Order: sequence, then structure tokens, then C-alpha cells
Amino acid sequence: EAGVTQFPSHSVIEKGQTVTLRCDPISGHDNLYWYRRVMGKEIKFLLHFVKESKQDESGMPNNRFLAERTGGTYSTLKVQPAELEDSGVYFCASSRQGGSYNEQFFGPGTRLTVL
Amino acid sequence: EDQVTQSPEALRLQEGESSSLNCSYTVSGLRGLFWYRQDPGKGPEFLFTLYSAGEEKEKERLKATLTKKESFLHITAPKPEDSATYLCAVHSGAGSYQLTFGKGTKLSVIP
Repeated sequence: EAGVTQFPSHSVIEKGQTVTLRCDPISGHDNLYWYRRVMGKEIKFLLHFVKESKQDESGMPNNRFLAERTGGTYSTLKVQPAELEDSGVYFCASSRQGGSYNEQFFGPGTRLTVL
Repeated sequence: EDQVTQSPEALRLQEGESSSLNCSYTVSGLRGLFWYRQDPGKGPEFLFTLYSAGEEKEKERLKATLTKKESFLHITAPKPEDSATYLCAVHSGAGSYQLTFGKGTKLSVIP
């Protein structure tokens, strides 16, 4: 079974530019999550999709962040315009519905550097 | 607000020297406590889920235990390949699936 994949693995952009991160969850996992770890801090929740619907957006920092999940499959996270404080590692995770729904499996992350 | 505190921040062990990592938590209704292992440059790798006080789970040299206030990850006779950062996370509250993470314990096992 293929794991969660994320693209790109690294991205370096200038302040004010736009970046789009992509996540492909484990096949059959309806739940998809985005998390972020900034330097020296713990991993923090951003949002949760169930299929194509946003279930919980309480962790999104501001309206410069836009997440979508087309057809309930892959998801994208767009940052526009990027600011210096957006630098960090962005992780995507997925989980099943039903039993063990809260066992989340993580991707390798996208390291974003905003200069 | 849920809180997770892990200690120590870093731990150096000689190969074969057993020890424990601690995860203290404050939540409003625990629905699951999770241990992950994270290697440099990689995402967290799922290890265990614990749901209720008294529960224990084992995998190779690792054993996780849970009380009402904390969880321990016991590592028995560690090997250098056990070196990694170990993360603890909790899931609480109805309607939200978000995990709250601690900062992790960086374990180094010296040959």
C-alpha cells in the first residue's frame, strides 16, 4: 500500500510570491489533514477534509492560506502571498473513516522557505 | 485547550541501556494518545495508539503505557537504529479529529 505522498519536497520562494503544495493521501482514506511545523515549535494542525468537504479549518492562520480537495482525492494548499513567517515544514496526513479513524498516517512533508 | 509536554527534550543512551520517555497531557476527554517516530527529513511514522488508562502496547523494543495524566514510551536494550525523535500526540473532543502534538524527545543511541 502506497503511503501519503507530498510534492514538492522543498520550495524556496521570495516574500510576496505564491506557492502551491500538493498531497496525495493513502488510497481509500476519506480523511485528509494538513499540519505545519515552524522552527523550534511543535507540529500544529491546520485543517481537516472529509472527502471534498472542509470539516475543520480552525488551525488555518489567516486568509492567505487556501486549501482545496478536488473530488475527494488529492489536496492542494496554496499560500498567497507568502510571508517570512510562513516558512516551515508542511505535513499532510490521512486516515480511514470508521474504526481507527483517528490513526493518522503522515507524508514526508514539504519544506517551505520564504526569503 | 489541550496541552502535551514531553520530557526530556533530548536523551543520549548507550546501546543496551534501557530508559523511558515521558508524555504528560491535559485534555478535555481523551479519545486517543499516539506515539510517532520521526527520522530527520521524514514525516512522523505511526507507532502506537492508546485509548484508556492501563492500556499497554508493544512493538519490538518499544512499549507504550498510559495513565490518566501521562504516557511512557519504554525502550528496552536500544540499538543505534532506534535513534530518532519520538513524538506524542493526543486526540480529544467530539467533532474534531485534530491531533495536538508535543515537541518531541530526540533520542540518540550510541554504539
